[in-house]
Parts: sequence; structure tokens; C-alpha cells
Amino acid sequence: EVQLVESGGKLTQPGRSLRLSCEGSGFTFGIYAMYWVRQVPGKGLEWVAGISSNSENIGYADAVKGRFTISRDNPKNSLYLQMNSLRPEDSAFYYCVKDMIPHLVQGIFDHWGQGTLISVSS
Amino acid sequence: DIQMTQSPLSLSASIGDRVTITCQASQDITNYLSWFQQKPGKAPKLLIYDASRLQSGVPSRFSGSGAGTHFTFTITSLQPEDFATYYCQQYANLRSLTFGGGTKVEIK
Repeated sequence: EVQLVESGGKLTQPGRSLRLSCEGSGFTFGIYAMYWVRQVPGKGLEWVAGISSNSENIGYADAVKGRFTISRDNPKNSLYLQMNSLRPEDSAFYYCVKDMIPHLVQGIFDHWGQGTLISVSS
Repeated sequence: DIQMTQSPLSLSASIGDRVTITCQASQDITNYLSWFQQKPGKAPKLLIYDASRLQSGVPSRFSGSGAGTHFTFTITSLQPEDFATYYCQQYANLRSLTFGGGTKVEIK
């Protein structure tokens, strides 16, 4: 069974940094593109960042470009999101998401973690 | 960015009803479209991809159709467990993946 478990969410202040982690299990982590998607409680879904299986292709939403960095450690079956210069509008649940097709960046989100909550407030 | 416009924003329906949700893309996305179901406090669940392909394990009462800019998601006979919020998502532009605003399906 595919499992994605996020961690690192917390209450923090504007301008601070935070690192989210996601550990995958039940599948060959290193051959799938992975993503972060966020959702303000009660609102819609927003793609944040994506990374190919070999980390050669990386992309970010305009809202986080230059502040957030996505990375992965395939031997550790782990995905990360380094979040710098946090703003109140970054407050949301952050989901770790797996692509459906191995070895390709398809953008088909077939498995999601349970989410981790970031609150940015002074 | 490709804008995804979903309608309606919400709907009320009864058990057994046929429910239809539409999603309009701001430009041609071929068939690069997924549909998700999200229940309160839970992560989204993939139901449909490639506009009409049913994800493994998803009941056949769910279906999707369309191509280009206009897409439809249908539940043929609404069940109690189907009350949720549904989202469309395009993956034609991999540099900017975007979702529709969501449609909340409520009990009439």
C-alpha cells in the first residue's frame, strides 16, 4: 500500500523558515516525480512545486518561486520542501503527492499524504 | 497560466440523482485533465485522469468526458458516500499545474 507521511508543520512567524518532509513507502519512491500541493482550510487546492524522479526537472508556482526549494533524497525515500521568508498567505495544509507514471513527469496526482499544517502569524 | 473554471460552485442533490459538474479550461488542454474527490478533513482522492479514464478501484458510477477546453464529470446515481467536494485539475502545462475552484455536492 502506498503511503506518504508528511511532517514539519507548525505555527511560525512571518519571515521565518521551515522545512517540510515527506516519507514514502509501499512503492519504489525513486522512480516517481513528486509534488507539494497546498490548501488553505476551507479553500481550494494550489500546486506549489514539483520534482522529477532524478531531480533534474524542478518547477515552482509563481507565488513561492525564489522562497521555496523542493528536493528529494531517493535512498531515504524522502521529499522535502524548504520554505524561507514565510508569509501569512503561506498558511495552509501542505500535501505530499505522488505522480502516477514512473520515470515521467505527468502531473497525474494518484496518491496524497494526509497533509501537514503550516500557520504563519505574528 | 491555464485557468480552470468549474461550475456550479455547489449543488444539492438526492440519493440516486444524476449529478454533472463541468470544468472549462482557458486554453486547449487536449485530454490532460483529472478529477478528484475530497471529503472534510481528508486528502483529495484521484477518481478520473486523462479526462475519462477511471482510476483503479473507483466505482463505475463516476465518469468523465470531454476534450480541448470543455469537460464534464458525472455521477450516474448519487450514493451517500459521494457527498464531498470535487475538483478538476489540468496537467497540460507542467510548469504550472492548476485546479478548478471546486464543486461542493450537498444533500438535498
